[in-house]
Amino acid sequence: QKEVEQNSGPLSVPEGAIASLNCTYSDRVSQSFFWYRQYSGKSPELIMSIYSNGDKEDGRFTAQLNKASQYVSLLIRDSQPSDSATYLCAVKSAGTASKLTFGTGTRLQVTL
Amino acid sequence: ETGVTQTPRHLVMGMTNKKSLKCEQHLGHNAMYWYKQSAKKPLELMFVYNFKEQTENNSVPSRFSPECPNSSHLFLHLHTLQPEDSALYLCASSQMGPPRATEAFFGQGTRLTVV
Repeated sequence: QKEVEQNSGPLSVPEGAIASLNCTYSDRVSQSFFWYRQYSGKSPELIMSIYSNGDKEDGRFTAQLNKASQYVSLLIRDSQPSDSATYLCAVKSAGTASKLTFGTGTRLQVTL
Repeated sequence: ETGVTQTPRHLVMGMTNKKSLKCEQHLGHNAMYWYKQSAKKPLELMFVYNFKEQTENNSVPSRFSPECPNSSHLFLHLHTLQPEDSALYLCASSQMGPPRATEAFFGQGTRLTVV
């Protein structure tokens, strides 16, 4: 079983719609969760971090965490063509202070 | 200059060459990392340095040799690489501290091609 799993996509949504990106992880005692956006040929850029169960909102982005289900998601409201990128889920492993384990990423395409 | 900077941005090298990748962070962080990103694979952690000491080496072949002279600089020395080592090499930094890991900030990466 992969440590961090994401659907590779592509996920295609029309402009203005809500994009929903999902991630599951295997380490039950993981504590910190991050979403990164990566444009083609560029480095990952942090979008959101979440540490507690529930929702965390930042502008058009909402991160949702459910530790019981080992599930973290990212919602993008009012999707724009500029949101088209690969979204990487990253999870901090227990027992190692700063090791982040990444999923393979979900490619999002926002269509006009 | 701010953030995490990597040089060179692109590198083409032969299998018998020796080259080095450089990373510098201007964020005051105390941990630095090397990641490898190959096509259609997740980011692979290669090395972690905390306070200049290597704390993790994820079974990386010895043809990759890291060096961390201080908490702001990180190098990756390359020698006798193989074509399958061609990838995007990303440097990142973060501030360590329990109970939570801080987010990692990435450099722009070095696109390495081994011919």
